[in-house]
Amino acid sequence: SQQGEEDPQALSIQEGENATMNCSYKTSINNLQWYRQNSGRGLVHLILIRSNEREKHSGRLRVTLDTSKKSSSLLITASRAADTASYFCATDYNDMRFGAGTRLTVKP
Amino acid sequence: DTEVTQTPKHLVMGMTNKKSLKCEQHMGHRAMYWYKQKAKKPPELMFVYSYEKLSINESVPSRFSPECPNSSLLNLHLHALQPEDSALYLCASSHSMNTEAFFGQGTRLTVV
Repeated sequence: SQQGEEDPQALSIQEGENATMNCSYKTSINNLQWYRQNSGRGLVHLILIRSNEREKHSGRLRVTLDTSKKSSSLLITASRAADTASYFCATDYNDMRFGAGTRLTVKP
Repeated sequence: DTEVTQTPKHLVMGMTNKKSLKCEQHMGHRAMYWYKQKAKKPPELMFVYSYEKLSINESVPSRFSPECPNSSLLNLHLHALQPEDSALYLCASSHSMNTEAFFGQGTRLTVV
């Protein structure tokens, strides 16, 4: 399988805490993307990071990319109940195939 | 307009029926995707069209037949489906392959 693999598979935190999710992949890439899916709905693009970038921010989201370790992390700071969703990564190598994702639950 | 519109939102069909799912975008995107998603599972890629040509077919059974009549439209024709084909079908588009993708809200399909 060439898709990114997310871990942990499930994460439960309290509102206000930070949430960190990881994505590992197996080949060289040009970019990596993170998506969010609320239950039973379409995916929403969160952020795209290119292979020559190490870190990228968007609001409360911080994404890092370590091409030497073939891994990326998504950090959500000061989480809210509305952040409860599944989070997926995808790399350009795997043509928009998704791994199992991380199911995040933020308790109020 | 950054929307991908999928119709219908819900569909119930018998195993002998023929139906079609439709997907439309007006963002000028040249890559369009179909995914199938079962409950509590990640979306599974089914087909990818790039510049209106079928680029990827993930060994999907022939009872699913994609069609891209023009750069804005993507159809998925359904025929003789099985109950296990019941799922959420998602359409997505992107400027080109492997760039930021926009997803529709999906069609919830039930095969009875």
